Amino acid sequence: DGGITQSPKYLFRKEGQNVTLSCEQNLNHDAMYWYRQDPGQGLRLIYYSQIVNDFQKGDIAEGYSVSREKKESFPLTVTSAQKNPTAFYLCASGQGNEQFFGPGTRLTVL
Amino acid sequence: AQSVTQLDSQVPVFEEAPVELRCNYSSSVSVYLFWYVQYPNQGLQLLLKYLSGSTLVESINGFEAEFNKSQTSFHLRKPSVHISDTAEYFCAVSASGSARQLTFGSGTQLTVLP
Repeated sequence: DGGITQSPKYLFRKEGQNVTLSCEQNLNHDAMYWYRQDPGQGLRLIYYSQIVNDFQKGDIAEGYSVSREKKESFPLTVTSAQKNPTAFYLCASGQGNEQFFGPGTRLTVL
Repeated sequence: AQSVTQLDSQVPVFEEAPVELRCNYSSSVSVYLFWYVQYPNQGLQLLLKYLSGSTLVESINGFEAEFNKSQTSFHLRKPSVHISDTAEYFCAVSASGSARQLTFGSGTQLTVLP
């Protein structure tokens, strides 16, 4: 089955802790993206990567970090510097004009 | 830069009635336009897209959208909705030639009532 997987589906963390969200794709897409979704605000771009070992900040990169060591993987770390990390996080991959989304990870900070 | 406005945050409609979800965009360059659908606690699925050519585009489940350049709009319509169409719908835009970065609207929650 081709697609995008995100794990875990639900994640809880204490304030002050870093946490890493996983995103894997087997669609052989060059580009990968991380979005944050909050109620009533749509999706906002955190980071994106168009090729292995290269990535760029999106609109709300502060408090987040990423790596792109393999084409298939684009993990997102939510650091303790992120002031309001509770949200639904969506990963996507893309080729050409279309982006394909994973099922999302809901992060809750306790 | 591009921006997208979805004026209606909530649209309730009775089953088998028609529906229109509005989307307006702003851009200084030519654009590609997309509608995505999201069911609760799931990712987004592409519903339809306009890249070029015919301004009327259709999805396999009866939705259609028309690109209107003069009004900078890309409204989504369906002549008869089903309970299963209940979901959140997002309009998105990207600059043509740079379709890798999408800008999303805030979403419209469509609720189909029996």
